[in-house]
Amino acid sequence: LAKTTQPISMDSYEGQEVNITCSHNNIATNDYITWYQQFPSQGPRFIIQGYKTKVTNEVASLFIPADRKSSTLSLPRVSLSDTAVYYCPGHSNYQLIWGAGTKLIIKP
Amino acid sequence: DTGVSQDPRHKITKRGQNVTFRCDPISEHNRLYWYRQTLGQGPEFLTYFQNEAQLEKSRLLSDRFSAERPKGSFSTLEIQRTEQGDSAMYLCASSYTTGGETQYFGPGTRLLVL
Repeated sequence: LAKTTQPISMDSYEGQEVNITCSHNNIATNDYITWYQQFPSQGPRFIIQGYKTKVTNEVASLFIPADRKSSTLSLPRVSLSDTAVYYCPGHSNYQLIWGAGTKLIIKP
Repeated sequence: DTGVSQDPRHKITKRGQNVTFRCDPISEHNRLYWYRQTLGQGPEFLTYFQNEAQLEKSRLLSDRFSAERPKGSFSTLEIQRTEQGDSAMYLCASSYTTGGETQYFGPGTRLLVL
């Protein structure tokens, strides 16, 4: 079972860069690494996905080392609206295996 | 809006009643998933369809739960004889069979069993 591990919570301030790391100890060779964001009372929202090295889109960057045992989600210049729970679910066949996520609180 | 939609968004029912939820996936997606989420926890997998075939079902899912996806389009999740422990957010997601398997989620249906 490809379970992941990430910090329970993080705090930061508006305008800062935030990095959230996820451990993927049992990742399978063909699994991609995907990050989601979830606001209260909403479904998870896809942020970014990668297989190795670095991926960047208009919202975030994703860094994946060569051994793929971890990944780091980087949010540049966060704002109050980035306060949410962030997930890096693992895979088991076609299921996504979710932990409790990282609760990110952005302060003014 | 071409995202995943779910109906209803909220449902309050009394214990012992049956409820049915609907999910409309992104139109070109052939895979559809149901998850359940309780407060403070991540989503928990319930079941998965590829086209109209239900290929996987969680061992945690009791016989009171049933899901269908007729013609490989929308899906319904029915809970019979609801219990207070069924109170949760029920999430639907869809994806397409390509590398990456990104799942896109709907807004969820919040169920409260009194």
